[in-house]
Amino acid sequence: GAGVSQSPSNKVTEKGKDVELRCDPISGHTALYWYRQSLGQGLEFLIYFQGNSAPDKSGLPSDRFSAERTGGSVSTLTIQRTQQEDSAVYLCASSWDRVTDTQYFGPGTRLTVL
Amino acid sequence: DQQVKQNSPSLSVQEGRISILNCDYTNSMFDYFLWYKKYPAEGPTFLISISSIKDKNEDGRFTVFLNKSAKHLSLHIVPSQPGDSAVYFCAAPAWRDDKIIFGKGTRLHILP
Repeated sequence: GAGVSQSPSNKVTEKGKDVELRCDPISGHTALYWYRQSLGQGLEFLIYFQGNSAPDKSGLPSDRFSAERTGGSVSTLTIQRTQQEDSAVYLCASSWDRVTDTQYFGPGTRLTVL
Repeated sequence: DQQVKQNSPSLSVQEGRISILNCDYTNSMFDYFLWYKKYPAEGPTFLISISSIKDKNEDGRFTVFLNKSAKHLSLHIVPSQPGDSAVYFCAAPAWRDDKIIFGKGTRLHILP
């Protein structure tokens, strides 16, 4: 496909379980971003990958959150020991290179922690 | 500390009239701004941008105005159409941190 894809589209989990969210960026895009949108909130920046550089993890809300990007392409966001406040839509975006380049967003993964 | 603020959570406008969405920022180092539009269950899509060397940028029905002294920008949609009903996010790149900072968004309802 031509756009950014994310899986799963919906995830319901129990408190305390680990979850993995996947993002397939647009081919050729070197920059990849993860955001979170909680109910009634804006887009909260989580983490940013640029090429092979070490990721900017400054937005991760706690050490339960981690992300990796394999081979400069697919990325997974992992949330360990999920809490109810982790319930949100997790959005992935990719862009060609610089932070000002248009970001193309995936449809998001809606995470519900019971 | 919110560096990009959209103080109106929602806005209702009659079809055919002008929609004006506002955005304020606090960081004087911001020199580039973007607007994204988001439909339910979809990711945001880029709409229009403006560089601080300009005070206006127009693309079809969409115009963004930038007032640097007031640290304020606005998105005008004329004429408003039903398909414009969406959430609009204002955003600014924070160069030093290499990230984009988004506002909380404004939900626009276009009334028939």
